[in-house]
Amino acid sequence: NAGVTQTPKFRILKIGQSMTLQCTQDMNHNYMYWYRQDPGMGLKLIYYSVGAGITDKGEVPNGYNVSRSTTEDFPLRLELAAPSQTSVYFCASRAANNEQFFGPGTRLTVL
Amino acid sequence: GENVEQHPSTLSVQEGDSAVIKCTYSDSASNYFPWYKQELGKRPQLIIDIRSNVGEKKDQRIAVTLNKTAKHFSLHITETQPEDSAVYFCAASFTGGGNKLTFGTGTQLKVEL
Repeated sequence: NAGVTQTPKFRILKIGQSMTLQCTQDMNHNYMYWYRQDPGMGLKLIYYSVGAGITDKGEVPNGYNVSRSTTEDFPLRLELAAPSQTSVYFCASRAANNEQFFGPGTRLTVL
Repeated sequence: GENVEQHPSTLSVQEGDSAVIKCTYSDSASNYFPWYKQELGKRPQLIIDIRSNVGEKKDQRIAVTLNKTAKHFSLHITETQPEDSAVYFCAASFTGGGNKLTFGTGTQLKVEL
């Protein structure tokens, strides 16, 4: 049982480039989330999904897109990367008791 | 939407002392309050949580108290150890509409020998 996995672990992008952050969970959780964590700050919700085919915006969705075609996968797409998107990105899934399990994170730098 | 404030931002204690971190929330509909520990470069991990129908919960050296009337909750760590040094985040959510967590800004706890 791997839990929540994310790829890549690190990435450097140039301004204007695009990329997809991958997230997979093997716990059969319906709810999944994407957060960003800026240095010295808490986590802010970007997008979330309550099940396959259903997604919704969180607190800071601008510049990002998501899809949820399967229960296991919840990729986050960055279009036209900007320096303000430099951050650590965490994916999480929620168990029935409300506990959220986090992936190891992706450290993204936009130069 | 929900707003969670957390204090202090840094906390330094001597090994064996107690540490207390406090959070306030704004949305009276929030009913789930977890605490996460995050070590440097690692993912956040749940250490304890409390629901709005409970006033206090304890797990070994860690306890959480909730005051629904005042809309604040606190984390208490007793007999602190060096391995307790980390950043601690409180969060709040309403178990509906996606169970979205709103996080506090974190407390850097340092346990000194």
